Amino acid sequence: DGGITQSPKYLFRKEGQNVTLSCEQNLNHDAMYWYRQDPGQGLRLIYYSQIVNDFQKGDIAEGYSVSREKKESFPLTVTSAQKNPTAFYLCASSLGLAVYNEQFFGPGTRLTVL
Amino acid sequence: QKEVEQNSGPLSVPEGAIASLNCTYSDRVSQSFFWYRQYSGKSPELIMSIYSNGDKEDGRFTAQLNKASQYVSLLIRDSQPSDSATYLCAVNMGLTGGGNKLTFGTGTQLKVEL
Repeated sequence: DGGITQSPKYLFRKEGQNVTLSCEQNLNHDAMYWYRQDPGQGLRLIYYSQIVNDFQKGDIAEGYSVSREKKESFPLTVTSAQKNPTAFYLCASSLGLAVYNEQFFGPGTRLTVL
Repeated sequence: QKEVEQNSGPLSVPEGAIASLNCTYSDRVSQSFFWYRQYSGKSPELIMSIYSNGDKEDGRFTAQLNKASQYVSLLIRDSQPSDSATYLCAVNMGLTGGGNKLTFGTGTQLKVEL
């Protein structure tokens, strides 16, 4: 089955720790995205990548880092510099960056800072 | 000023009725529009995309787009209790130099009552 997987489903982090969220897709999509969702707010774009070894900052990139070493994988690291990391993190992918390309989401990772 | 606006609801409709969900957006150059359904605690699921003025039908769902009025809507016919969810409107406003950036509304909660 083609799809997007994210792990872990739930993640607890102590203050001052860096954590890495996994995102893998087997849809052969070129573009991948990371969003953050907070209660009462729309999804906000953190980072996106169009091709391997290339990625761009979204609207709220501060305190986050990404890598794109493989087409299928786009991990997100939440660093200790992120002031309010507790949120629902969503990875998405699309065929490319054309505006008509539909984005599909993985199941998400819920991060809680203790 | 919010770029994509939705009434947060809840919108309550009886089973079998038509549910009408509305969305307005601020950027006149927006080119593509999407509706996602999100069940509580789950990730968004794409249900409709629309690119041209007019109506687009898919089963019980109809998306309507009016670019002159900067308005997009989703109609759900014969509403079922399983349609109870939050519906997210997403507008592709592009990225500098081209690209696929979705701006999301905060969602409308729909409740279909027996």
